[in-house]
Amino acid sequence: NAGVMQNPRHLVRRRGQEARLRCSPMKGHSHVYWYRQLPEEGLKFMVYLQKENIIDESGMPKERFSAEFPKEGPSILRIQQVVRGDSAAYFCASSFGTGLSEQYFGPGTRLTVT
Amino acid sequence: AQKITQTQPGMFVQEKEAVTLDCTYDTSDPSYGLFWYKQPSSGEMIFLIYQGSYDQQNATEGRYSLNFQKARKSANLVISASQLGDSAMYFCAMREGRGGSNYKLTFGKGTLLTVNP
Repeated sequence: NAGVMQNPRHLVRRRGQEARLRCSPMKGHSHVYWYRQLPEEGLKFMVYLQKENIIDESGMPKERFSAEFPKEGPSILRIQQVVRGDSAAYFCASSFGTGLSEQYFGPGTRLTVT
Repeated sequence: AQKITQTQPGMFVQEKEAVTLDCTYDTSDPSYGLFWYKQPSSGEMIFLIYQGSYDQQNATEGRYSLNFQKARKSANLVISASQLGDSAMYFCAMREGRGGSNYKLTFGKGTLLTVNP
């Protein structure tokens, strides 16, 4: 049973480019969460999605960031016009249910903006 | 106010000794869960142990145990018989609430543990 998969594991973008981060949840999981880890910091919640719905995006920057979880395919975190401050590790987690269901983390995508 | 406080940026321990990593939390919600994760240098987040606010006994998982002191709002991680492979960053995290936004994990800033041979 494959765990949460994220790709790419490492992504380098120049300032102004777009970054697309993909997350495939564990089989049977329909709840996806994105977290961001800035250097020297703990993870911070960004967004919670269920299939085709954004449930809570309170942790997402208002501009340039968007997320989706389509009916088919992986969840995508999209960052437009990246800036140096977007350099971070982005983790996806998935769960079977909501509330206190266990969240399983993927290996993360390390984004470097040059 | 910080919801999760880890006051030890770095800790050193000799191989085979026990070590305690501190975590204090702040919540007014009677229902919450406390988690510890390990992040080795490779970067992935590995779940170690969970303690629910209503659990009567301290959680244990192999060499990991959680020293839960509810009145003091502390949830310290104890690693017994440290191994070189335990060298990593350790994060304490909390989820609050029975409903609503109880899916959000709030993390501390972490403690970097180094195990010396």
